[in-house]
Amino acid sequence: NAGVTQTPKFQVLKTGQSMTLQCAQDMNHNSMYWYRQDPGMGLRLIYYSASEGTTDKGEVPNGYNVSRLNKREFSLRLESAAPSQTSVYFCASSLLVDPHDEQFFGPGTRLTVL
Amino acid sequence: GQSLEQPSEVTAVEGAIVQINCTYQTSGFYGLSWYQQHDGGAPTFLSYNGLDGLEETGRFSSFLSRSDSYGYLLLQELQMKDSASYFCAGSSYKLIFGSGTRLLVRP
Repeated sequence: NAGVTQTPKFQVLKTGQSMTLQCAQDMNHNSMYWYRQDPGMGLRLIYYSASEGTTDKGEVPNGYNVSRLNKREFSLRLESAAPSQTSVYFCASSLLVDPHDEQFFGPGTRLTVL
Repeated sequence: GQSLEQPSEVTAVEGAIVQINCTYQTSGFYGLSWYQQHDGGAPTFLSYNGLDGLEETGRFSSFLSRSDSYGYLLLQELQMKDSASYFCAGSSYKLIFGSGTRLLVRP
C-alpha cells in the first residue's frame, strides 16, 4: 500500500498563476484533509472532506478551492497564486472525521510563489 | 478562539527523559493528539488521549488533564532518532495544531 500520495513534490509558480495539487489514498478512508505548514509553524487546516461528496472549510480557506473527486482523491486548487501561499502543503486521510482517528499524511508539496 | 501553546525548543541528552508540555484554550475539544515530524518529512501519529490520565506506548507516554486544559508528551530513554518536532493537536471533528516543539537530542 502506498498510503497517501501527493503530486507534485515541488512547484514554483509566478504570482497570478493557477495550479492544482493532487492527493490520493489507498486505505479506503472516508475523510481527507488539506493542510499548509509555514516555516516553524504547526499545520493549519485549509479544507476537509468528511466523506465522498462533502467538503468544508477549515481555518484558512481563502484563496483555495477543493474537489473530492471520488473516495480516493482530493485535490486542492489555487486559482490565482500569491506569495503568501508559499508553503508546504500536506494532504491527510483518516477512516472517519473522529477525534480519536489517526490521520495519515502524504509526503507534502513544497510550493513557492514568486 | 482555539489555540494550543507549546515550548518552541527543548534540548536533552541521549538516554534521558524529556517532557513536552501543551496547554490549550478551546472549547469543543474531545481529546489531545500528538504527532512527530522529522525535518523535511510528514507528520506521523504518536498518541491520542480521549480521557484524563496517562497513555503509554513503548518509550512514549502522553497525559491529559481536561480540568487544567493541559497535556504532555513524555519521551523516555531518548535516542538520537527522536530529534524531531512534536506537535500537540486538539481533536474535535478536525485537528487544531500547536506550533510545535523542536526536540534536539545530544549525545
